[in-house]
Amino acid sequence: DGGITQSPKYLFRKEGQNVTLSCEQNLNHDAMYWYRQDPGQGLRLIYYSQIVNDFQKGDIAEGYSVSREKKESFPLTVTSAQKNPTAFYLCASSITEQYTEAFFGQGTRLTVV
Amino acid sequence: RKEVEQDPGPFNVPEGATVAFNCTYSNSASQSFFWYRQDCRKEPKLLMSVYSSGNEDGRFTAQLNRASQYISLLIRDSKLSDSATYLCVVKENYGQNFVFGPGTRLSVLP
Repeated sequence: DGGITQSPKYLFRKEGQNVTLSCEQNLNHDAMYWYRQDPGQGLRLIYYSQIVNDFQKGDIAEGYSVSREKKESFPLTVTSAQKNPTAFYLCASSITEQYTEAFFGQGTRLTVV
Repeated sequence: RKEVEQDPGPFNVPEGATVAFNCTYSNSASQSFFWYRQDCRKEPKLLMSVYSSGNEDGRFTAQLNRASQYISLLIRDSKLSDSATYLCVVKENYGQNFVFGPGTRLSVLP
């Protein structure tokens, strides 16, 4: 079945540690996105990538890093520089033509302990 | 000013009611528009795309007014299972990212 897979579903991190969230898609989509959602809030864009080996910062990129070495994969690293990383992280993908929607993974819930 | 704004909600309605959600967007170059539904602690899922001529899918009707930069979603004969947060989403230009509104929460009560 085609889709987007995020792992892990739940992640606990100690303060000061870097952690990497996985996002893999087999939809053959060019564009991939990372969003952060805080309780009761909307989605905020962290990073996005329209093509392999290229990515752009979104509205809240500070304290995060990404890579896009393969079309299928867009991992997100939450670094120790992110002061408040506890949130729900959502990965999405789409094709780049107009009028096409984004498809989401099931999300990773990150908690700093 | 936020790029995409929605009714603050929450909306609490009885089963069978008709409920309307409103959304405005600030970027006049926006090309594509969508309504997503998000259940508690789950990922957003596409409810419907919004076309210039308006479109209907069963109990759901979406309208777009480009001149007013306004999008709406109407749910008729609401069901308990319609309880969720409804997200208005705008895709600004070719290949650009999706901008999400804050969402409006709907609770359909028995």
